[in-house]
Parts: sequence; C-alpha cells; structure tokens
Amino acid sequence: AQKVTQAQTEISVVEKEDVTLDCVYETRDTTYYLFWYKQPPSGELVFLIRRNSFDEQNEISGRYSWNFQKSTSSFNFTITASQVVDSAVYFCALSDTGNQFYFGTGTSLTVIP
Amino acid sequence: GAVVSQHPSWVICKSGTSVKIECRSLDFQATTMFWYRQFPKQSLMLMATSNEGSKATYEQGVEKDKFLINHASLTLSTLTVTSAHPEDSSFYICSARDRRTRHYTDTQYFGPGTRLTVL
Repeated sequence: AQKVTQAQTEISVVEKEDVTLDCVYETRDTTYYLFWYKQPPSGELVFLIRRNSFDEQNEISGRYSWNFQKSTSSFNFTITASQVVDSAVYFCALSDTGNQFYFGTGTSLTVIP
Repeated sequence: GAVVSQHPSWVICKSGTSVKIECRSLDFQATTMFWYRQFPKQSLMLMATSNEGSKATYEQGVEKDKFLINHASLTLSTLTVTSAHPEDSSFYICSARDRRTRHYTDTQYFGPGTRLTVL
C-alpha cells in the first residue's frame, strides 16, 4: 500500500532562517512520482515540483531545493532564507502507476517576521 | 498551464438540501477527474474517481448515494452532495487529468476548491 508520512505537523521559523520539511514515503511500485504542493490560506493547491522514481537528481529552484533519496524513501524540501509569504501548509504526495495521488498529512509552516 | 475551475468557490446551505459543485477543465479535455475532501487542518482524502461516460469509482467508506458524481463531458464533472448535513461541511477539491498524454501522472491539475458549510 502507498503511504506518505510528514512527521512535522507544525513548524515555526523566524524570517530568513532556512527550514526543511520532511517527507517519507512507502510504495512497492518501481515507477512512481513524488510531488510537493503548497496550500496557502485561500485553499488552492500550488504545484511546486514533481520527481519521478528514476530521477534522484536533486533540484534547486530559487530559494527552494529538494533532496530525493530512494535509499531512505525520503523526498525532503528545503526553503532557504524563508519569507513571510512562505507561510502555508505544504503537502508531499505520491502518485503510483494507477495515477492516484496519496497525500501526506501536511506540514504547517509559519514564518515569523 | 492547464486550468481547472470549480464553481461555486464557497457555498452555505441548510441541512437537508442538496448542493452541486462543478469542476471544469478549461483548456484541455479530461477523461478522468478526481474528487477530494479536506477537513480543517487535515489532508486531502480521495473520495472518488470520475471517468467520462461511465460510473464513478468510489473509495471505501464514501457513500455513493450521498455523493453523486456525474462526468457527462470531457470538460465537466459534477459532485452533488445530497441531503447535506453539518458533518458534510468541508473543502472539496477536484483534479483533472489531461487525456492527451499517455504517461499522464504529471498532468493532473487541481481546481481551487469549494468550501461547503452546512448549517
């Protein structure tokens, strides 16, 4: 069965600090996709990144970076020099070969000015 | 990028009434749409998978007679909450998959959500 675990329920950081959001997944599929979404208070999911199971290359996009390690089944997300606008709930998700999404429970990030 | 709309964005209704929520893919055709429910401070839970021209597939524990799903065209799926009760109050999110791609896991687009409050 597919499962995504985000152990951090809530995180608070002071502006300009770096913060890492953890994501651990379980799947028996060899082909799968991992995602990160941001959900601001408005509720709309904002797509951040997709990574397929065959691509373990880490990725950096501006202040955002992702570390994918199949050996530990983790797909962690780091925000560098956090800003108040980064305050939101962040969801990690896994999509299997059936194209169904499995979401983690989310991490609520608060960036304090 | 592809856009998925939902209407209404929020709705308040009285207990016992039915509410219809529309999910539209605006610039692509979607053979499959998904409906999720999100309670406050909780994750998204898949309710059902809607396939154009056929019956929806419901997840375990979701009452098909209460949550009616119709996917009548390649751009529209509707979710009707029948005889709504306060416990049905939630944030409902749809997503749509673009039919043009074979490996379309990465082309599932989410709508902005509909907030339902049942009094």
